[in-house]
Amino acid sequence: EPEVTQTPSHQVTQMGQEVILRCVPISNHLYFYWYRQILGQKVEFLVSFYNNEISEKSEIFDDQFSVERPDGSNFTLKIRSTKLEDSAMYFCAGRTGATEAFFGQGTRLTVV
Amino acid sequence: QKEVEQNSGPLSVPEGAIASLNCTYSDRVSQSFFWYRQYSGKSPELIMSIYSNGDKEDGRFTAQLNKASQYVSLLIRDSQPSDSATYLCAVTGGTSYGKLTFGQGTILTVHP
Repeated sequence: EPEVTQTPSHQVTQMGQEVILRCVPISNHLYFYWYRQILGQKVEFLVSFYNNEISEKSEIFDDQFSVERPDGSNFTLKIRSTKLEDSAMYFCAGRTGATEAFFGQGTRLTVV
Repeated sequence: QKEVEQNSGPLSVPEGAIASLNCTYSDRVSQSFFWYRQYSGKSPELIMSIYSNGDKEDGRFTAQLNKASQYVSLLIRDSQPSDSATYLCAVTGGTSYGKLTFGQGTILTVHP
């Protein structure tokens, strides 16, 4: 059964460094999302991506964040200058036009 | 501000009992409703989706939706210890490109 794949599973980075989180959605997915979950807190929406552009973003998704789908398969989330408070689980999700969203296994980002 | 509210629990039920999980939402234009299961350190896993008023059954799971009361619930029959997890209620709105708004989750413990 196809699934959303995320890499790496765990990333440790120093404060101020750039990180890129990668996702390979299921091939027929049209809508793509990034969510994050700080330890012990609720899952929060970051950004949605459709037709090769951002369709919606939350107030969390500031200028430090960017997304792209450079080659039609990978979907990436970049954080330019990480802060301690960026430490969280980051989930990629995808869906077709009329189905439920399916999540990748997540990337645990630890900023030290 | 769209809100999804859940009782954080923990909810403890004996093996074989029915577990009842509840969720309310604030945005009346919410259209789609989902229950995800999340094991500790893992990603949300879709259990049920429901789009219209009434009940929807899938195996041991029944989702119930009441749009007039802005209420959605999940019943788990014949609860098993493997059902012990956090259950996340999530909703999407009419113009949000499928963005999910999550509740904080209810911790369910099924004891033998």
